[in-house]
Amino acid sequence: GEDVEQSLFLSVREGDSSVINCTYTDSSSTYLYWYKQEPGAGLQLLTYIFSNMDMKQDQRLTVLLNKKDKHLSLRIADTQTGDSAIYFCAEKVTYNTDKLIFGTGTRLQVFP
Amino acid sequence: DGGITQSPKYLFRKEGQNVTLSCEQNLNHDAMYWYRQDPGQGLRLIYYSQIVNDFQKGDIAEGYSVSREKKESFPLTVTSAQKNPTAFYLCASSPIAGAGYEQYFGPGTRLTVT
Repeated sequence: GEDVEQSLFLSVREGDSSVINCTYTDSSSTYLYWYKQEPGAGLQLLTYIFSNMDMKQDQRLTVLLNKKDKHLSLRIADTQTGDSAIYFCAEKVTYNTDKLIFGTGTRLQVFP
Repeated sequence: DGGITQSPKYLFRKEGQNVTLSCEQNLNHDAMYWYRQDPGQGLRLIYYSQIVNDFQKGDIAEGYSVSREKKESFPLTVTSAQKNPTAFYLCASSPIAGAGYEQYFGPGTRLTVT
């Protein structure tokens, strides 16, 4: 079946790097996404990676994909207090469906 | 401004009443979605629509109904048959069904049923 797992909490000091991890079970994933949700708000797409890529970098964000282990990570460099939010990973399984499978979300807390 | 609007932001209803949540987009997107979010859980898909006058059930459609009479609108009705309706509801849209297009999310409606 389809399942996406994340750890629930991560706490980091301002200026350090944050690494948020995600594991998924479906090997037919096509796209994998990282979304950010601030309190009481909708989700904002941060970045995505196609399943035939290993890495994608976008300013402070680095996404790493290990297809063998079905492991996805999001690294945020120089983490700021404004990065405090819930981060969701999501996978799109096939080309023929719009269905996204979301993880449970990781709450990132950045302290001074 | 282009985007997705959901109204109202907070909604309160008595148990046994049906309630309709609004979702409008002016992005000219073909596909629209409704998700439910509960504390400590990811988003779960309720219904989605890839084209006007057509929609499909998601993972947790029981107790919900939708319509897609216009491209820009995808209202969700939470019926009295939904056993635990209190949740945060998120609407999303994407340009073209399928492929890798991202889903754009609205700000959400928090529904409380007492």
